[in-house]
Amino acid sequence: KAGVTQTPRYLIKTRGQQVTLSCSPISGHRSVSWYQQTPGQGLQFLFEYFSETQRNKGNFPGRFSGRQFSNSRSEMNVSTLELGDSALYLCASSANTGFQETQYFGPGTRLLVL
Amino acid sequence: AQSVAQPEDQVNVAEGNPLTVKCTYSVSGNPYLFWYVQYPNRGLQFLLKYITGDNLVKGSYGFEAEFNKSQTSFHLKKPSALVSDSALYFCAVRSYSGGYQKVTFGTGTKLQVIP
Repeated sequence: KAGVTQTPRYLIKTRGQQVTLSCSPISGHRSVSWYQQTPGQGLQFLFEYFSETQRNKGNFPGRFSGRQFSNSRSEMNVSTLELGDSALYLCASSANTGFQETQYFGPGTRLLVL
Repeated sequence: AQSVAQPEDQVNVAEGNPLTVKCTYSVSGNPYLFWYVQYPNRGLQFLLKYITGDNLVKGSYGFEAEFNKSQTSFHLKKPSALVSDSALYFCAVRSYSGGYQKVTFGTGTKLQVIP
């Protein structure tokens, strides 16, 4: 099976712009979670989508949003970019939602905001 | 509040020696504990998890972890370290809070295995 894929792998934006990141989960997986990784804040959970519905949400402002399509692919959008949004954004998929599920991570999208 | 502590920023160990990467946690209710490894410029890879049952959990690449409820710890161990084990290791805890699943990661421990 192909692993989790994320596009693009690298992205440079300027403050105030918006960005959309894409995640394709492992075939058959219905849950997609997004994480932000920065040197200062470490790894933080953004949100989880399962069967096109947001199931869980971390503590991020409303500028961060996401959605999931019927084929389980997910997109994450960040509007009005700030310098502090520069980070590695990781996507993870699992077969189902729930604590017991093993998550498989993609390689990440590295976003640089200038 | 839920928290995870990885008290060591870096652990150095000689190849062939046993290794331990420490993790302690604080959570209301039953903890669901995970270990992940991250190689440079790569995403996280799942190593092992504790949900319930046996306190000694075996995972990928020869790693294991021991859940200790009284000490609220979930230390990662391996009997014999390999140079290829050198990477960044993250401990994480998941629980329910206010109807939502909450995920908290530790700050990570860099493992350096010296040949």
